[in-house]
Amino acid sequence: KAGVTQTPRYLIKTRGQQVTLSCSPISGHRSVSWYQQTPGQGLQFLFEYFSETQRNKGNFPGRFSGRQFSNSRSEMNVSTLELGDSALYLCASSLAWASGSNTQYFGPGTRLTVL
Amino acid sequence: KNEVEQSPQNLTAQEGEFITINCSYSVGISALHWLQQHPGGGIVSLFMLSSGKKKHGRLIATINIQEKHSSLHITASHPRDSAVYICAVVGGAQKLVFGQGTRLTINP
Repeated sequence: KAGVTQTPRYLIKTRGQQVTLSCSPISGHRSVSWYQQTPGQGLQFLFEYFSETQRNKGNFPGRFSGRQFSNSRSEMNVSTLELGDSALYLCASSLAWASGSNTQYFGPGTRLTVL
Repeated sequence: KNEVEQSPQNLTAQEGEFITINCSYSVGISALHWLQQHPGGGIVSLFMLSSGKKKHGRLIATINIQEKHSSLHITASHPRDSAVYICAVVGGAQKLVFGQGTRLTINP
């Protein structure tokens, strides 16, 4: 089976812009979780989607949003970008929801740089 | 104080040495994950455990729920084991909370 794919792999934006990142899970996986990784804060949970519904959300401002499509592909959007949003954004898929209690398979990440 | 603390933060060892990375947490959990992240960012899930001990090849993970502590051991370490190892716990509402990671370097 193909692994989790994320596009684009690298992205450069300027402050105030918005960005959309895409994640395609492993075939058959219905849960997609998103994470932000920065040198200062490490890995942090953003949100989890299962069957097109957001099932869980981390402590991030409303500028961070996401959605999941009927084929389980997911997108996350960050509006009004700030310098502090520069990070590696990782998505992970798993078979079932409550992905914390299931093995997760991570994508390669999208490295976002905000100038 | 972070909910998940790993030690050491950095570890350098010679090939063949026995490696131990520790993870302590302060919240009630339903499971704990050990992850491996290589340079470039890719993360691989090594173990998910809620009790006892698991072994995969040269890797062993243990957890003591009463003491809120887990360890990851690597036997006969090899330079290809060089990576960042991350502990993550499943806390309230099934959210993953991550440790800061342990950077392991194995010299030949």
